[in-house]
Amino acid sequence: AQSVTQPDIHITVSEGASLELRCNYSYGATPYLFWYVQSPGQGLQLLLKYFSGDTLVQGIKGFEAEFKRSQSSFNLRKPSVHWSDAAEYFCAVGQPNTGNQFYFGTGTSLTVIP
Amino acid sequence: NAGVMQNPRHLVRRRGQEARLRCSPMKGHSHVYWYRQLPEEGLKFMVYLQKENIIDESGMPKERFSAEFPKEGPSILRIQQVVRGDSAAYFCASSPPGGITDTQYFGPGTRLTVL
Repeated sequence: AQSVTQPDIHITVSEGASLELRCNYSYGATPYLFWYVQSPGQGLQLLLKYFSGDTLVQGIKGFEAEFKRSQSSFNLRKPSVHWSDAAEYFCAVGQPNTGNQFYFGTGTSLTVIP
Repeated sequence: NAGVMQNPRHLVRRRGQEARLRCSPMKGHSHVYWYRQLPEEGLKFMVYLQKENIIDESGMPKERFSAEFPKEGPSILRIQQVVRGDSAAYFCASSPPGGITDTQYFGPGTRLTVL
């Protein structure tokens, strides 16, 4: 069965420090991969997505993610975190041949300290 | 271009009452998805609809839950005889008719509290 794992439930970083949020998936073929961000009380906003091609994907707000097939990972990175990045981050997987259903990880909560 | 609209944003119901959640997709989008987010959990897929058709309802509970997306008007997620375990945030997403490669755009959610 397909699954998405975000191993880190909560991460705290200092403002200006670099960030990496982990995402691993379980799926036989190359899935479609997404990162969403959710601010408190808000809906989800798409940060970036990967379908094919270059495995390093650039997104909004200075985020990027790298697809590594050998590790079944799609980790999200940002070189310098801003206080406004504090939010919940969700990795999601879509499967090309099973309709439009997305599978979400349980999320990583990011706290940014001054 | 307005985003995905959901109303109400907050809904309080007593056990046994009905809850109706509405979702208006983005203009030009004909696909609607409903997800449920329980506290401290990620989003779980419930149902995928196109106009007047339920395409995939594999994530819907077998009883008390139903969804529709009529030719005119918003998509409705209906929960009959609510129980405390239905308390959650319900998110709607929409996408254009391009399949999985099209991004799903999410609404702000409806937070349902069952007393």
